[in-house]
Amino acid sequence: EPEVTQTPSHQVTQMGQEVILRCVPISNHLYFYWYRQILGQKVEFLVSFYNNEISEKSEIFDDQFSVERPDGSNFTLKIRSTKLEDSAMYFCASSETWTGHGYTFGSGTRLTVV
Amino acid sequence: RKEVEQDPGPFNVPEGATVAFNCTYSNSASQSFFWYRQDCRKEPKLLMSVYSSGNEDGRFTAQLNRASQYISLLIRDSKLSDSATYLCVVREISNFGNEKLTFGTGTRLTIIP
Repeated sequence: EPEVTQTPSHQVTQMGQEVILRCVPISNHLYFYWYRQILGQKVEFLVSFYNNEISEKSEIFDDQFSVERPDGSNFTLKIRSTKLEDSAMYFCASSETWTGHGYTFGSGTRLTVV
Repeated sequence: RKEVEQDPGPFNVPEGATVAFNCTYSNSASQSFFWYRQDCRKEPKLLMSVYSSGNEDGRFTAQLNRASQYISLLIRDSKLSDSATYLCVVREISNFGNEKLTFGTGTRLTIIP
């Protein structure tokens, strides 16, 4: 079964450092998403991406965040200057169509900011 | 204001029992509805979509009441492997025509042998 791959599985970084979280969506999917889940809290939408541009972003997705699809396979989330409150599980997801069906989530990257 | 609200539980249920979860959502324009399952420190996985007519997948039955903005999930003959957090999820379309999923906080279920 096709899957969304995320690397690394766990990243520890010092406050103020830049991190890049990487995702390889399913190859024929066109819509890409980042969600995050702070420990013990709900999964929250960060950003959606289609046709090489951001289609929607949440209030959480401020100027410290950026996304990129640098080549035909990778989809990255960059946090420019990490804060303690950025510590969370970050999930990448992709879907083939714009229906909400067929959302496949990656296994996540646990980001710990110290 | 909570957009998708669930009883966080925990629900501790003996194996073989029937358990029901409920969920309410605040956005009447929500488009689609789902139940996801999340195991500890894992990604959410789609359990089933929810339709107004009600739908069943094996031991799982989901129901949507659009008038009351209420979603339910029923698990019959519960098994130890059903232990997980069940997430009520709503698909919404923004003013710009883009979609996103809005998650509830989840209901923790533990099946007891």
